[in-house]
Amino acid sequence: GQNIDQPTEMTATEGAIVQINCTYQTSGFNGLFWYQQHAGEAPTFLSYNVLDGLEEKGRFSSFLSRSKGYSYLLLKELQMKDSASYLCAVLGGDYKLSFGAGTTVTVRA
Amino acid sequence: GAVVSQHPSWVICKSGTSVKIECRSLDFQATTMFWYRQFPKQSLMLMATSNEGSKATYEQGVEKDKFLINHASLTLSTLTVTSAHPEDSSFYICSAKRQGIQPQHFGDGTRLSIL
Repeated sequence: GQNIDQPTEMTATEGAIVQINCTYQTSGFNGLFWYQQHAGEAPTFLSYNVLDGLEEKGRFSSFLSRSKGYSYLLLKELQMKDSASYLCAVLGGDYKLSFGAGTTVTVRA
Repeated sequence: GAVVSQHPSWVICKSGTSVKIECRSLDFQATTMFWYRQFPKQSLMLMATSNEGSKATYEQGVEKDKFLINHASLTLSTLTVTSAHPEDSSFYICSAKRQGIQPQHFGDGTRLSIL
C-alpha cells in the first residue's frame, strides 16, 4: 500500500515563506507531484520531481530526496491568494497517483 | 495548454436516478483518464482508470456496475452513477493526461447530491 504524510494545517503571514513537508512510503516510485486546490475546486498542477534536488518555478519550489522518502514545497512571498490546500501525490510503481490528505495553508494579512 | 472540462458542475436529483458526468480534454489527446471521489476535507480517492478504447480498471471496493465508465475517444470519458442513492453524494473529479509520465490535469469537479 501507499502511505503519504503531510501536516494538516499551516498558517503564515503575507509576504512570508512557508515550507510544506511530505514523507512517503510507496510500492515503487515514478515521481512526486504537488497540486494546489482551492476550496470547492479541482486541483491544479504545481510541480513534478523525479530526481533528487530542487525544482524552482517562480515563487514556488519543490525538493525531493528519494533515499529519505521526503519532499517539500516551498512557497515564497506569500500572497492572500495562496490560501489553499496543497496536495502531495506520489506516482507509484503501478503508475497510479496516490494523494496525501492535503495541507491547508492560511495566509494572514 | 492542458484544459480539462467537466460537466455538469452540480447535480441534485432524487434517489434511484442515474447521473452521467462528462470529462473532456479540450486541447490535448488524453490517452488515460481517471475518476476520483473526494469527501470533505479528505484526499482524492481513485475510483477507476480508463484508457481510450478499452475497459476501465476499477479500484478495490468500487462497484463497476454502479459506476459505469466509458472512454470512447481520446478526448472524452463519461462516468454514469446508476441508480444513485444518498450515500453516493460526493464530489467527483476527473483528470486526464497525455501518454507517458505526465501530470494529470483535473476538471472542475461535479458536486453530486442525491436526495
